[in-house]
Amino acid sequence: GNSVTQMEGPVTLSEEAFLTINCTYTATGYPSLFWYVQYPGEGLQLLLKATKADDKGSNKGFEATYRKETTSFHLEKGSVQVSDSAVYFCALGFGSGANSKLTFGKGITLSVRP
Amino acid sequence: DTAVSQTPKYLVTQMGNDKSIKCEQNLGHDTMYWYKQDSKKFLKIMFSYNNKELIINETVPNRFSPKSPDKAHLNLHINSLELGDSAVYFCASSPAGSSYEQYFGPGTRLTVT
Repeated sequence: GNSVTQMEGPVTLSEEAFLTINCTYTATGYPSLFWYVQYPGEGLQLLLKATKADDKGSNKGFEATYRKETTSFHLEKGSVQVSDSAVYFCALGFGSGANSKLTFGKGITLSVRP
Repeated sequence: DTAVSQTPKYLVTQMGNDKSIKCEQNLGHDTMYWYKQDSKKFLKIMFSYNNKELIINETVPNRFSPKSPDKAHLNLHINSLELGDSAVYFCASSPAGSSYEQYFGPGTRLTVT
């Protein structure tokens, strides 16, 4: 079946540090890949997406590249801020139309210290 | 303006009770979802509805019954609550043709004692 594996957390970084959060997936066919972010006390928000191999999604300084050869979609940011503290979810989407479904990884908590 | 809203935000109840959670979206989306997030933050889809029609039912116990009176509302009723039902329940919606771009509500934290 389809699944998403994220690196174990939590992750604690100092402000302006480089961030990498690993995500790998298992899927039949060619899924779309996503990163969602959940800020404290809120619901999830779509952060970025990539719909085919070698696509790079980017938003708010975050980037992730869809790597079919390594089945990965690692999230990176060059310089994190305190406001980036949140839970990050990698997800894959498959199916079509109303039967489309997102499968989420376990989520990883990022804390950024001033 | 709240895009996806849920009520209540917190719900504390005893085992065996029946409770409902309501969800409304004002985005004009066709598809709505219920997710369960456990204490380890693992998020799993429970149901999806498209234009009031049930599309996805992910082997959820039949104590859980979703109802969609119109495409802007998706409610979740839970009978005979159990300790294991304690979790945060999220409602979400997505526009037609873009089912992966989901907009989530703020969640309802259910605690069963």
